[in-house]
Amino acid sequence: AQSVTQLDSQVPVFEEAPVELRCNYSSSVSVYLFWYVQYPNQGLQLLLKYLSGSTLVKGINGFEAEFNKSQTSFHLRKPSVHISDTAEYFCAVRANAGNNRKLIWGLGTSLAVNP
Amino acid sequence: EAQVTQNPRYLITVTGKKLTVTCSQNMNHEYMSWYRQDPGLGLRQIYYSMNVEVTDKGDVPEGYKVSRKEKRNFPLILESPSPNQTSLYFCASSFTGGSEAFFGQGTRLTVV
Repeated sequence: AQSVTQLDSQVPVFEEAPVELRCNYSSSVSVYLFWYVQYPNQGLQLLLKYLSGSTLVKGINGFEAEFNKSQTSFHLRKPSVHISDTAEYFCAVRANAGNNRKLIWGLGTSLAVNP
Repeated sequence: EAQVTQNPRYLITVTGKKLTVTCSQNMNHEYMSWYRQDPGLGLRQIYYSMNVEVTDKGDVPEGYKVSRKEKRNFPLILESPSPNQTSLYFCASSFTGGSEAFFGQGTRLTVV
């Protein structure tokens, strides 16, 4: 079975500052990893995903994440945030083989970008 | 435009009155799923469907029904809603399971 821990429930940051949203996972098998964003009063949107290959994954809106297998982490980063990045961010994981394709979700990190 | 469409966006109903939340996708996705989102509990999967006429329970299926008679539609049915089903509901779809690519805008349901 897999589990996901988003280490910060809230992250306040000033506009144009860098940000890192932390995600750790546990799994006895190899995994696929995902980050989603939920803007206020909207559905979730896939930001980026790691399936295989390069451990540095680039997504939409200038976000990137690095898969670290030894640390079992998949932290999301952006070098300079905008007010419009204020949203809830969810990390998710699933096994990359077998019949169990269910996504396991973290509880979310609320990013608040202040002017 | 690729999208998942849920209706209604907001619904207030009374305990026991059957309701259906519709979900439709225009991307020919085989996989569709329903989630509920509650404060402090995150996203929990209710039901999912791998293809037409193939549905299965997620983590919290009690009190809900689904059907998948056509590829594009995956309605969520609450036959006797109760106040503990007050929540924000999302429908999602993708070509394959476990990588939900598109989400609907959500349906905020209040059961009084």
